[in-house]
Parts: sequence; structure tokens; C-alpha cells
Amino acid sequence: DSGVTQTPKHLITATGQRVTLRCSPRSGDLSVYWYQQSLDQGLQFLIQYYNGEERAKGNILERFSAQQFPDLHSELNLSSLELGDSALYFCASRARVTTGELFFGEGSRLTVL
Amino acid sequence: DQQVKQNSPSLSVQEGRISILNCDYTNSMFDYFLWYKKYPAEGPTFLISISSIKDKNEDGRFTVFLNKSAKHLSLHIVPSQPGDSAVYFCAARDYNTDKLIFGTGTRLQVFP
Repeated sequence: DSGVTQTPKHLITATGQRVTLRCSPRSGDLSVYWYQQSLDQGLQFLIQYYNGEERAKGNILERFSAQQFPDLHSELNLSSLELGDSALYFCASRARVTTGELFFGEGSRLTVL
Repeated sequence: DQQVKQNSPSLSVQEGRISILNCDYTNSMFDYFLWYKKYPAEGPTFLISISSIKDKNEDGRFTVFLNKSAKHLSLHIVPSQPGDSAVYFCAARDYNTDKLIFGTGTRLQVFP
């Protein structure tokens, strides 16, 4: 158990819909990262937050947005969903003093039909 | 632009032998390199890391080697065990952007 909690674990929805994925980082961690893993692909960095502020952005589509709340949990919003958005979405958090190590949640599997 | 590359999608090794997983990178601003292990239906878990100022780091059966001139790192697992069968991701941290960039992974299968 990494201490990072993601909900929901599985989500099935239709094209054009909007979903929200939720992440609670480990206790005390200020940084939250979101990654997307499509079928047989690596982990694609989407976005990073640190203590409520956006810190770095990766290949995140304009249809996607995220935020980190004062209690440090984060939400990833995916809208106008397309079939190609079907993937595993991972959240990770990082300790304050670190060598870069991230602690990952178990992921949210999104299926768009 | 794939800054971290794992060119072998899969590797099969006999139990007890050495497993060598390779990773190449292009960005000179990476200051830490990490290996993660991932089982199906689970999130990646941290395995071992190495600073860019070192060339070797060892933790039990796992050793990571870094060759900065070749922009290459490798993970050695000795001896390999069936429980090591998983997908292994190489990752690198960009010092400037604080991003952790992952490779596409290598699926290791250790057979008896």
C-alpha cells in the first residue's frame, strides 16, 4: 500500500461524456502528479501540482483539466471523452525531500465506449 | 520526443540467472534515474534509483549502473526469481522542470 488513494478504480462511460478522477496523496506529501497509461504504452506525464499550484505540464489535452485543493487532494477532469481516452490514469505523490521517487496509487481504469 | 527509451519491450530469463534491463536517455538535465516495477492491476512501485553523479547503486539483488557518457543505464537483477516477473519502467527526473519522465517499459518474464 503506497498510501496514495485513487477513486474510482474502474469507470465505464460513453463518448462525449465528462468524468472526474480523484486522488488523495500520502499524508504530508505536497506534490501530486497525474500520468496516463494507454494500452501497451509507457506512462505519459500529464500534469503536476505542488501545494495547490500547477507546477509542470506535460502532454495534457485541452479537454482535460486538473486542480489540487487546499486539503491537497487532486481531481483530474476529462471532458468530451473520445474512444482514445480509454486508459489507466495514475496519480502519484512525492515526499518533500526527495530524490525524485514517486509513490503511485493503484490507478483508475477508464473505458470509453 | 521520447527522452527516455527502453528499446526492448520484453525479456525472458531463466530463474537463477541474471536479468539485464536497459534504458537510454537524451536529456542532459536529468539528475536522478529511477527504476519502477509494475504488476498487472497495480500502480508502479519504486525499486531503486541512482544520482547522476554516481555510476553504480546496489540494493540486494538489484544493481543500477549509469554510463553518463553513453547516456545509458541498466538494471541488473541477480539472481532472477519468478516473482520478479513484471513490467519494469525506467524513469528520469528533469532537474529544471521537476518532471519525472518514464520509458515505455520492458516486460520481464522469469521462468523456472
